[in-house]
Amino acid sequence: EMQLVESGGGLVQPGGSLRLSCAASGFTFSSYAMSWVRLAPGKGLEWVSFISGSGGSTYYADSVKGRFTISRDNSKDTLYMQMNSLRAEDTAVYYCAKTGGFYDYWGQGTLVTVSS
Amino acid sequence: EIVLTQSPGTLSLSPGEGATLSCRASQSVSSNLAWYQQKPGQAPRLLIYGAFSRATGIPDRFSGSGSGTDFILTISRLEPEDFAVYYCQQYGGLPRTFGQGTKVEIK
Repeated sequence: EMQLVESGGGLVQPGGSLRLSCAASGFTFSSYAMSWVRLAPGKGLEWVSFISGSGGSTYYADSVKGRFTISRDNSKDTLYMQMNSLRAEDTAVYYCAKTGGFYDYWGQGTLVTVSS
Repeated sequence: EIVLTQSPGTLSLSPGEGATLSCRASQSVSSNLAWYQQKPGQAPRLLIYGAFSRATGIPDRFSGSGSGTDFILTISRLEPEDFAVYYCQQYGGLPRTFGQGTKVEIK
């Protein structure tokens, strides 16, 4: 069974950092692109970042460019998101999702709260 | 950036009724459009991709139509578990974008 499990969320002060992880199982992780998508309180879904299966191509939403870094370790079947210079508006549930243009499998999400 | 506009914002219906949700793109995305269902505290679930193809395990009461800039998600007969927020998403251009969502609530 295909499974994605996020971890690493929590409460952080503005300007702080967090590293999210997404452990994949049940499929050949290295063969698929992956993305991070977030859902902020009272808002809709927002695509955050994309990485190709090899890790050679990455893309970011303008709202996080220069602050967030997506990466993956295909030997560990794990996706990462390093989040620096966090702002209050980054508060959201962050989902990792298997990506083929659309998002066919999603993790359960991890909550990031940026507040002093 | 391709902007997706969903209407209505909220749909108040009773179980057994049909629902029609609209998604309009600011420019053509061909058939590169997906629909998702999200319930509170749960991850989004893929319902439709390629504008009209049902994802694995999705009941046939869900159907998608449209191409270019105008798309429709139809739920033929609402079951209690169908009351949720629905999002459209385009993958015809970069960045990938979502609509703002349509909430289907119990009347």
